[in-house]
Formats: sequence, C-alpha cells, structure tokens
Amino acid sequence: GAVVSQHPSWVICKSGTSVKIECRSLDFQATTMFWYRQFPKQSLMLMATSNEGSKATYEQGVEKDKFLINHASLTLSTLTVTSAHPEDSSFYICSTRQVIQSDTQYFGPGTRLTVL
Amino acid sequence: GEDVEQSLFLSVREGDSSVINCTYTDSSSTYLYWYKQEPGAGLQLLTYIFSNMDMKQDQRLTVLLNKKDKHLSLRIADTQTGDSAIYFCAESKGGGYNKLIFGAGTRLAVHP
Repeated sequence: GAVVSQHPSWVICKSGTSVKIECRSLDFQATTMFWYRQFPKQSLMLMATSNEGSKATYEQGVEKDKFLINHASLTLSTLTVTSAHPEDSSFYICSTRQVIQSDTQYFGPGTRLTVL
Repeated sequence: GEDVEQSLFLSVREGDSSVINCTYTDSSSTYLYWYKQEPGAGLQLLTYIFSNMDMKQDQRLTVLLNKKDKHLSLRIADTQTGDSAIYFCAESKGGGYNKLIFGAGTRLAVHP
C-alpha cells in the first residue's frame, strides 16, 4: 500500500494561534488527499477533500476559513487550523487516494492537536 | 440514522475466531473496506472487497458481503493479542472521488 506521513505527530499550542499540519505522499503522486478529524473514542469524520491545483471541497459544517487546506504539489497537502481554540483539540488524519487495482485510501499516522 | 453501523465491542479468547459485523446503507458503494486502528495511530488498510464479490480471503482474514442485506463481516482466524485494536468498516459513497463513510468502530479485545 501507499506510504503517507504526517508532521508533526503531536502539537500543543495556545488558544488563538495557528497550527499547520503537513501530509505527504511518499511513494506516489496523489492528486486527491483527504483530511479527517477524530475525537476520542469516536469514528473519523471527513472534513475536506484536497485536490492538487484547485480549491479544497469542504464537508457541510466545516468552516473553510478556519481550516485552510493547500494542496500545492502532488505529494504535499497542508491543513492550517487558524485561531485555534480548545474545542479544535482533536486527532487529525490525512489520507491519499490511490486508484490502481482498487480505489483505496491510505492513511497517515495522524497528528494530535491540543489547544490550551 | 447512521450510514454505517457496527457493534462497539467484542471480546474473544486468544486462538479463537473473531467476527466483526457491519451494516451499510449505500447500495451503490463500489468497494467496502476494513481498517484497523491501534491506539494513537492512523488507520491501516486491512482488506477491501469489490461489491460484485461475496467473499474474499486473505491469510487469516475473511470478508463476507451480503449485498441484499447490506451486511459486511470480517472474520479473523486464530485471533492473537496483537489483533487487539479498533476495526472500522467503511463504504465508499457514490461519486467520482471515493468519499468514505466510516462506522463507529468495533473495539476488539483479545484475552488469554
């Protein structure tokens, strides 16, 4: 399967600051990446679909001005949480879409964000 | 209601088989997936099944698909302590970019 990395793996920040999370596709060019968030003991909720070279598509209820997504290259997508608040504390996971033998998403290891 | 439903918890003895069940709603889903998540980690793709298949076997894993009932199951043979994790079922929603809808996850606990 595809190899996906995320950086940082965890981050603690003060309320009101912005945090950038990187998602890298290490072994293939990903035109489509996805960003999810996961609250403790809950499932993954899709936040947005990141498309290389175009604007991201956000899911209903996700503020696009708060969660800025940039997919500037075929191997890198970034999620910036702007003006973070404690309720933004969560586990953020990205995935890449690979369509070869099947249409499959491969996930990164996740980034745990804690906002104080 | 939820698009994908799973039981939340399963406890099995080491060496026994585990069966994790899932129901989904989108009959147009092309693929259905099983992912495994260990504590503090991302999701690991275990296996997937194409919607025109009834069964898929991969080493200790067997996936059964009942399209009529929209029921998917994952059987883990000879369950080991290393299989303890949360298992997510996911369906691909219609559309060109494979949007995945996840179940709530089944926590599998393996005891001696």
